[in-house]
Amino acid sequence: DARVTQTPRDKVTEMGQEVTMRCQPILGHNTVFWYRQTMMQGLELLAYFRNRAPLDDSGMPKDRFSAEMPDATLATLKIQPSEPRDSAVYFCASGRPEGLRNEQFFGPGTRLTVL
Amino acid sequence: DQQVKQNSPSLSVQEGRISILNCDYTNSMFDYFLWYKKYPAEGPTFLISISSIKDKNEDGRFTVFLNKSAKHLSLHIVPSQPGDSAVYFCAASGTGAGSYQLTFGKGTKLSVIP
Repeated sequence: DARVTQTPRDKVTEMGQEVTMRCQPILGHNTVFWYRQTMMQGLELLAYFRNRAPLDDSGMPKDRFSAEMPDATLATLKIQPSEPRDSAVYFCASGRPEGLRNEQFFGPGTRLTVL
Repeated sequence: DQQVKQNSPSLSVQEGRISILNCDYTNSMFDYFLWYKKYPAEGPTFLISISSIKDKNEDGRFTVFLNKSAKHLSLHIVPSQPGDSAVYFCAASGTGAGSYQLTFGKGTKLSVIP
């Protein structure tokens, strides 16, 4: 049963600390997305990669957020320094867009709380 | 500017009846549409999709209808079951080269009452 995995599932940290979230996409998927879910904004796209190359990170605050994909099995989202307004659930999703089809499959999320 | 809108934040339906969830979009470049279901503390789960070359797609109890001229789609669940209680997100994308991202609505919380 292929699934997207994310670690950690929960993270509580203090303002100013660095936070790193990890994602393992489904094997064979070539597109990886990072989303943030908040009550006010719903699901916001932060950044995404295709074949490990960053295609769009316009949804990310550039000064503190960075996203990388060091290899095909690992994507990371880093926040440094973290702020209370970053508290949200962060989802990773992967997919393999082909022709007319464009489904994305989501991981369970990382719930981040910044105190 | 919200390009995908789900105007009903919540919906309650009796078990066994039909649930109809609605979604409107504004971007005429969207040509692929999806519905996701989300339980608390889990990630969204892909449910059903439809491309703009169709106006209906069925999968078991779930049917999605697309009205391109009205830029409107709906998800019908028949019959509704208590396990269908979740938040449902509508999403849309283009399918041209480079159109990989999905734009999501803010969700509709469905409660199916036993």
